Amino acid sequence: GESVGLHLPTLSVQEGDNSIINCAYSNSASDYFIWYKQESGKGPQFIIDIRSNMDKRQGQRVTVLLNKTVKHLSLQIAATQPGDSAVYFCAEDSGNTPLVFGKGTRLSVIA
Amino acid sequence: DSGVTQTPKHLITATGQRVTLRCSPRSGDLSVYWYQQSLDQGLQFLIQYYNGEERAKGNILERFSAQQFPDLHSELNLSSLELGDSALYFCASSAPRGVRYTFGSGTRLTVV
Repeated sequence: GESVGLHLPTLSVQEGDNSIINCAYSNSASDYFIWYKQESGKGPQFIIDIRSNMDKRQGQRVTVLLNKTVKHLSLQIAATQPGDSAVYFCAEDSGNTPLVFGKGTRLSVIA
Repeated sequence: DSGVTQTPKHLITATGQRVTLRCSPRSGDLSVYWYQQSLDQGLQFLIQYYNGEERAKGNILERFSAQQFPDLHSELNLSSLELGDSALYFCASSAPRGVRYTFGSGTRLTVV
């Protein structure tokens, strides 16, 4: 796949378990954060976002948590499925520059 | 289909050559962003255009240039190619004042 080969941290999770992917962001002035999923052979796809005035936001099977004190973002995926296998990127927006992406984490789901 | 179209999907060329990557943004989006994804660097921002004008510049080499045309499609020109330019090049677009980017499927460039 197109994203294979990236030298990324990998998280291996059993199918059906919950996954937690972490991200440390750099700019304390960032006020908007997004998680993207990149499947093999595809471009990054939007999953969920959160504004800095929130601590938590839930979507379908996904939850994003924001801890501004330690500049930490996490993505929780409930009941992980094989289709969740991908590289996950967090991105931050400070309003003045284009999105800055983190290095990414590869999620591998074990059937 | 994300609505952002990138061509070609794959490109193999020799060192020293020049190539042009093309991107058509999602309908209604005025901003186009180019990102490079290589093995060790993740997604690196190259350049942004908004409604035909350059808006922001990232770590784009002088050998690289881009433009956005009146119909809002964009081209990224890479010249004097080196082996290290081999990477995936992604284009993304966003709505006016929007920060949620929509990415294309990318162009895989291999320089041999």
